[in-house]
Amino acid sequence: QKEVEQDPGPLSVPEGAIVSLNCTYSNSAFQYFMWYRQYSRKGPELLMYTYSSGNKEDGRFTAQVDKSSKYISLFIRDSQPSDSATYLCAMSASRGNNRLAFGKGNQVVVIP
Amino acid sequence: GAVVSQHPSWVICKSGTSVKIECRSLDFQATTMFWYRQFPKQSLMLMATSNEGSKATYEQGVEKDKFLINHASLTLSTLTVTSAHPEDSSFYICSASTLFVGGAGNEQFFGPGTRLTVL
Repeated sequence: QKEVEQDPGPLSVPEGAIVSLNCTYSNSAFQYFMWYRQYSRKGPELLMYTYSSGNKEDGRFTAQVDKSSKYISLFIRDSQPSDSATYLCAMSASRGNNRLAFGKGNQVVVIP
Repeated sequence: GAVVSQHPSWVICKSGTSVKIECRSLDFQATTMFWYRQFPKQSLMLMATSNEGSKATYEQGVEKDKFLINHASLTLSTLTVTSAHPEDSSFYICSASTLFVGGAGNEQFFGPGTRLTVL
């Protein structure tokens, strides 16, 4: 079983819809959770960073962590065509400059 | 803040030649830099982790003599693909990490990537 599972999609939604993405993980030591957005032929960009269970909101983005279920989610409200990208979840067990465990990435297409 | 650059953004080379890719943290000092490889529609594959002034730690299956990593300063790491072959063609991405105030030190900030094509 991979450490981090993420359905690669692709996921197509109409403009204005809510995009819901999620990852599950098996390592209960993971405490730090990140979501990255990657446009085609570009490096990933850090979108959200959380380290506790619950919700964190930043503009149209909400990151949700449920450590008891080993499940994290990213919601994008009022989706725009510019949100079309691949979204990767990543997680880490401890502080410091440690390697991240990445999901496969979920391709999202927002249709105008 | 937390900007990472890579140079070149793309390179085409002949089989057997060596290619050097630079990764720079522009507005912070990176205690650790990471090198990844990414194939089309695939996730990131970590190749190696490097700390300034010390030897890089390579992931299993990555040839250290083929992928030379030098982390000369807190703002610069280089990846040299030696004697490149067509199967080395890929998208190479670096990232940098440091302990910002209020952070946990494990956020990674990525460069824009370098597309390598070996003919």
